Amino acid sequence: QVQLKESGPGLVQPSQTLSLTCTVSGFSLSSYGVIWVRQPPGKGLEWMGVIWGNGNTNYNSALKSRLSISRDTSKSQVYLKMNSLQTEDTATYYCARDPGAYWGQGTLVTVSS
Amino acid sequence: DVVLTQTPSILSATIGQSVSISCRSSQSLLDSDGNTYLYWFLQRPGQSPQRLIYLVSNLGSGVPNRFSGSGSGTDFTLKISGVEAEDLGVYYCMQATHAPYTFGAGTKLELK
Repeated sequence: QVQLKESGPGLVQPSQTLSLTCTVSGFSLSSYGVIWVRQPPGKGLEWMGVIWGNGNTNYNSALKSRLSISRDTSKSQVYLKMNSLQTEDTATYYCARDPGAYWGQGTLVTVSS
Repeated sequence: DVVLTQTPSILSATIGQSVSISCRSSQSLLDSDGNTYLYWFLQRPGQSPQRLIYLVSNLGSGVPNRFSGSGSGTDFTLKISGVEAEDLGVYYCMQATHAPYTFGAGTKLELK
């Protein structure tokens, strides 16, 4: 069955870089895209970006200068990297199979010194 | 970027009541391939979002048929025909016709 699971540090210091991994199973990254979505505490969903099956990417306009999404198809992993983190980047980060039929459980990232 | 405007932001309902949520787009979501990439999600408290509807009106796997989606172009509606307790949470529309994708701000469904 299709599964996605996010992993990464729960705490990141301000100005540092966030690195998250989404490990998938039950489908091929060469055939399906993966999206990243985040949700600040008590707020709505924010679409961050996508890496499509052909390897192309697209990013939220407000985040594109800080955000990078890549993948390793052999490992069935998708990577999110976002630099210059600030406290407002504190959120639960989700990965999902494009366009959202399957979601990971999410991982809470807190930006704090 | 496409802006999706959801109304209302809060919806109070009794069990068994039928309700509707509107999602209006700042531009047409009809793609050149003939599809309209408009989706509806439900996020229950403490859970990941769950996809209810895909391509405007198609029911997701395992989703009860009291949920239905309709609309075209820039105006879309999610209807729940007979709210049940498990339907409480926040509903989001999302468009994937135009990259970057975007979500609506959400509609919280609560018990009256």
